[in-house]
Amino acid sequence: QVQLQESGPGLVKPSETLSLTCTVSGASITSNYWSWIRQPPGKGLEWIGYIYYSGSTKYNPSLKSRVTISVDTSKNQFSLKLSSVTAADTAVYYCASLMTTVSDWAFDIWGQGTMVTVSS
Amino acid sequence: SYVLTQPPSVSVAPGQTARITCGGNNIGGKSVHWYQQKPGQAPVLVVYDDSDRPSGIPERFSGSNSGNTATLTISRVEAGDEADYYCQVWDTIGDHPVFGGGTKLTVL
Repeated sequence: QVQLQESGPGLVKPSETLSLTCTVSGASITSNYWSWIRQPPGKGLEWIGYIYYSGSTKYNPSLKSRVTISVDTSKNQFSLKLSSVTAADTAVYYCASLMTTVSDWAFDIWGQGTMVTVSS
Repeated sequence: SYVLTQPPSVSVAPGQTARITCGGNNIGGKSVHWYQQKPGQAPVLVVYDDSDRPSGIPERFSGSNSGNTATLTISRVEAGDEADYYCQVWDTIGDHPVFGGGTKLTVL
């Protein structure tokens, strides 16, 4: 049974860098594409980016200049860094796995999510 | 970027059928995936590739997709189905996922 668990600080100061890690259990991180998604309070889902174990990445164009997603195969983890944060980056951050479907990809397994607040 | 439009809310009485729509330009030419998100919980995939269900999802959840509208249908609605529902497609031009704005299903 594949499980994902986010970890990282729940409070980040404005202008600093938000850093989160997702630990994958029950599957090898080399088996899939992995993604970060966020949800501001009371709002909808926003895709942040995804990564393959090889290090190949794709980012949301609206966040691309501030986002870095990386993978650590030795720890079966992947990570998110979002720089120069503002209050608008306050959200629940989810990590998720991308499942290959007949036509494209869907998010089949999600972490429980971690709330990150940007505030001084 | 590709845009998906969902109604903000849908209400239905227990035992009735709920239909949640997801509009997009020629969305019938894409695969649509649907997620259920209950308060305080992570989203759960309930339908993928327009009409397939992951293991463990009740048959009451079904989907269709044609023209400019995809529809998630929930039959014999139960109180436990009250949640936000999101549609998602893959933007093949940008090579990334796109979510709809979400629909809050209220069971009366």
